[in-house]
Order: sequence, then C-alpha cells, then structure tokens
Amino acid sequence: GNSVTQMEGPVTLSEEAFLTINCTYTATGYPSLFWYVQYPGEGLQLLLKATKADDKGSNKGFEATYRKETTSFHLEKGSVQVSDSAVYFCALRILGAGGTSYGKLTFGQGTILTVHP
Amino acid sequence: GAGVSQSPSNKVTEKGKDVELRCDPISGHTALYWYRQSLGQGLEFLIYFQGNSAPDKSGLPSDRFSAERTGGSVSTLTIQRTQQEDSAVYLCASSLTIWTGELFFGEGSRLTVL
Repeated sequence: GNSVTQMEGPVTLSEEAFLTINCTYTATGYPSLFWYVQYPGEGLQLLLKATKADDKGSNKGFEATYRKETTSFHLEKGSVQVSDSAVYFCALRILGAGGTSYGKLTFGQGTILTVHP
Repeated sequence: GAGVSQSPSNKVTEKGKDVELRCDPISGHTALYWYRQSLGQGLEFLIYFQGNSAPDKSGLPSDRFSAERTGGSVSTLTIQRTQQEDSAVYLCASSLTIWTGELFFGEGSRLTVL
C-alpha cells in the first residue's frame, strides 16, 4: 500500500539554524507530494507541494524537491525562526493511470519542530 | 463560509454514549474528508465524500463509526457506543474537487471518552 515515513522528532533548533526534515514514501501510481504544517492552536494548512518528479515546492523560505529515484521529499529551510515552531506533516496523494484520483491524502506521523531564540 | 467549520470544538462523553461531530466545508467544495489525529499516531484517514457519496470508507475503524453528507455540504460523523480508544481529535477537510490536491482543514473536534 501507500505510506509516508518521516524522521522522528521532536526536533529542537536555535534560531537561524538550518532545518531538514526527512520524508520518504512508498506508492503505486503517480503520487503528488505535500508538506502540511500545524501551528499551535491552529488547523493544518498546506505549506508546499510538488506534483511530479524533480519539481521543487517552496513557500515561506521552505523548500522540498520531489526525488523519484530516492522516493523522497525532504523539507529544508536555511534559517529557521521561532515562529516556525509547529508540527510538520509530509503527505502523498495518488493520481492513477488516466488521471483517476483516489481522493485521499496519506500522511506521515508528523515531526514536532521547536525553535529557541 | 470563509473556512472549514467544525463543531463541537470539544466534547467530553461517557463510555457507551453516542456522539455526533459536524463539519461545514468551504462553500462550493465538492470533496470532504474526515481524519482522526491521536496522540503519537499521526493522521488517520477515515472516510471521504465526493458530493453526497462516499467512494472510500476504508478507514472507518469499526461499524460503530458512520458518516453522512447531505446536500453536498454539511457532514456528520457519528460514533455509537463510544469507547476510550475513540478519544482523539477528529479533523475535517474539504477541497474544491477530489482532483485538486489542496485540502483545507478545520480546527478539529477534540473528543474525550471517560
């Protein structure tokens, strides 16, 4: 079946440090890949996405590149801020042959990020 | 509405009682999804709707769980004879169609079963 594996957290960094959160996936069909973020007390929101191999998604200084050869979609940010403290979820969604959608997103376990001043 | 709205935001109930959780999606969104978020368990898919029909109910944990959607809008997730293991945050999301990848999530309904 389809699955997403994220690096275990929690991750604790100092402000301005470099961030990497690893994400690998297993999928049949043609997955689109996503990172969602959940800030304290708020709902999940889309951070970035990539729909095909070698695409790079980016938003708010975060980037992730869809690597088909390594089945990975690692999240990176060059300089984190305290306001980036949140839970980050990697997810995939399958588009089958002919574009038939399976509808649902499959999520990883989530990685808690805490950034200290 | 402006976003996905869920109610109640918090529900405490006794074991064996039935509960209903409501989701009001973004206006015009045809696809609606229910997920469950348990501590340390990530996001577990429960069911999704395209219009009023549910093509995939594979995530419903048991026959105590059911969901419906009426008028292509509001959805209700019902849990009968609640158990302590049902305690979790139940998240609803909607998207314009099932072919668009961005899901917009509500803030969830936190269920505690005593």
